[in-house]
Amino acid sequence: DIQMTQSPSTLSASVGDRVTITCRASQSISSWLAWYQQKPGKAPKLLIYKASSLESGVPSRFSASGSGTEFTLTISSLQPDDFATYYCQQYNNYFTWTFGQGTKVEIK
Amino acid sequence: EVQLVESGGGLVQPGGSLRLSCVASGFTVSSIYMSWVRQAPGKGLEWVSVIYSGGSTYHADSVKGRLIISRDNSKNTLYLQMNSLRAEDTAVYYCARYPANSGRAFDIWGQGTMVTVSS
Repeated sequence: DIQMTQSPSTLSASVGDRVTITCRASQSISSWLAWYQQKPGKAPKLLIYKASSLESGVPSRFSASGSGTEFTLTISSLQPDDFATYYCQQYNNYFTWTFGQGTKVEIK
Repeated sequence: EVQLVESGGGLVQPGGSLRLSCVASGFTVSSIYMSWVRQAPGKGLEWVSVIYSGGSTYHADSVKGRLIISRDNSKNTLYLQMNSLRAEDTAVYYCARYPANSGRAFDIWGQGTMVTVSS
């Protein structure tokens, strides 16, 4: 199975900060990577698909890049609504998808 | 409006059974890939199972033979039959849509339904 490793596990930041989260795959997944935002008690929300495509309705301060095994999610200017947990997910294999362990973005 | 609404969660004893339902609106479940994803309390997301538009199904190794995904096209509803439940199956279960043709991942999620396996 493909393993997904996110770093850091927790990130403390202030409103207005630029924030970057990294996701590494244990083998190449081409560009089949998604990023989700999850708030407590809520379902995950799709932010990014195919490594760098912004989902409709997602603010442009969110961007992402990468291919193969290394991927990043960047929030250009952190807003109060962005404090949440972020997950990467590979969907390269059609019948076994895996998520990273999550990165919690906390208020500094 | 495109929407998924789960139901059927609850408290069940180890070894027991439960059936989760996920009613879709705004699209047809038989025309798209549909999955179940779970999240144990305080933990991350774990993919559980998928049913393809053609009807093929796949399950994670951790649930194979015990949790079974299916759908009823006439009711536009996805199901997860949960048998031989274990404490480690305790989680919030989400159904999610995967529009594979668009290249997008899980774009629509239900609100989740909690399953607690305990004596």
